[in-house]
Amino acid sequence: QVQLVQSGAEVRKPGASMKVSCKASGYTFTDYYIHWVRQAPGQGLEWMGWINPNSGGTNYAQKFQGWVTMTRDTSISTAYLELSRLRSGDTAVYYCARDGGATYFNYWGQGTLVTVSS
Amino acid sequence: EIVMTQSPATLSVSPGERATLSCRASQSVSSNLAWYQQKPGQAPRLLISGASTRATGIPARFSGSGSGTEFTLTISSLQSEDFAVYYCQQYNNWPSITFGQGTRLEIK
Repeated sequence: QVQLVQSGAEVRKPGASMKVSCKASGYTFTDYYIHWVRQAPGQGLEWMGWINPNSGGTNYAQKFQGWVTMTRDTSISTAYLELSRLRSGDTAVYYCARDGGATYFNYWGQGTLVTVSS
Repeated sequence: EIVMTQSPATLSVSPGERATLSCRASQSVSSNLAWYQQKPGQAPRLLISGASTRATGIPARFSGSGSGTEFTLTISSLQSEDFAVYYCQQYNNWPSITFGQGTRLEIK
């Protein structure tokens, strides 16, 4: 069965960077895009962008351009999200999600809580 | 960017009754709309794609309708497990997508 397993919770200081991983299993990793979505405490879902695991091509939401990086390692079927220059407002649960051919998400990771605090 | 607006923000309904949730797009998204359910501490779960196609394993009491800019999610007879937050999401504006702000469905 399809599974996306994310890395554990992180605590970072303002100005630092974070890196979250998302390990895929149960399907061919390079066949489907991986998206990243975040959710601040008590807030809604915010789409951050996607990576094409086959080519490594990316597309980032305009808000995150310049400070987000999405990468992948096809040898271990894992996608990564890096966010730099963290601020308290970046405290959120970060989810990876796999699209279903079209850009809706039928599989999600369990989420990774990133807390930015001094 | 296409803005998705959900209404109401909170909906109070009694178990067994019907719930109707709305989602409006700032411009046409054709039928490229999905609905998700999210419970506290859990990842969202896909309910509907293509505006009206139920995802695998989703009960028939969930139905979606609409096209263009106006969409509706209907839950025909609310069960206790249906009380959650619901989000719509457009995927017409490739390569970008947007979510609505969510509707909280609570027990009346």
